[in-house]
Amino acid sequence: NAGVTQTPKFQVLKTGQSMTLQCAQDMNHNSMYWYRQDPGMGLRLIYYSASEGTTDKGEVPNGYNVSRLNKREFSLRLESAAPSQTSVYFCASRSGEGDTQYFGPGTRLTVL
Amino acid sequence: QQQVKQSPQSLIVQKGGISIINCAYENTAFDYFPWYQQFPGKGPALLIAIRPDVSEKKEGRFTISFNKSAKQFSLHIMDSQPGDSATYFCAASMRGFKTIFGAGTRLFVKA
Repeated sequence: NAGVTQTPKFQVLKTGQSMTLQCAQDMNHNSMYWYRQDPGMGLRLIYYSASEGTTDKGEVPNGYNVSRLNKREFSLRLESAAPSQTSVYFCASRSGEGDTQYFGPGTRLTVL
Repeated sequence: QQQVKQSPQSLIVQKGGISIINCAYENTAFDYFPWYQQFPGKGPALLIAIRPDVSEKKEGRFTISFNKSAKQFSLHIMDSQPGDSATYFCAASMRGFKTIFGAGTRLFVKA
């Protein structure tokens, strides 16, 4: 089992460009999450999907959109990247029964 | 209030010493309090977790102490080792709902 995988690992964008961060899990988990991690601010929830077909806003959703493509995949899209979106992005998943979140290795995004 | 406040921001401990990280929360509806450990370049991973019906949980050198009345909980790392050097996040959640993370503590254990 690969657990939670994320692509790409690194990305540099120019202001105004768009991109999609991909996330997939092979643990048959119902819930999936997107976080951003910034120094001194911990992990802040961007969007989450409690189950296939549903998505909800988290703490910092502005500038982002998500798609729960199927039970395995949950993508995060930046339509018009801004320097304030420079961060490390983590995807996570959680089974319906447990409370533990399983995190991917992260995507380091720089917006110039 | 959804915040989880974590302190200190950074911590330096001698090898063999005790590392202590503290967290406080406001929302009494939280019913699950995990600690995650993150090494550089990696995603966070669950280290140990506690529910509010117990005051302490120990797994090897790691112990969570939980004070429900004070709405505080802490992580104690006994006999700290250089391999424990990492960032530690406390968190709080309600079953089936979002998890709120603390800001993180960078621990460095000196050999």
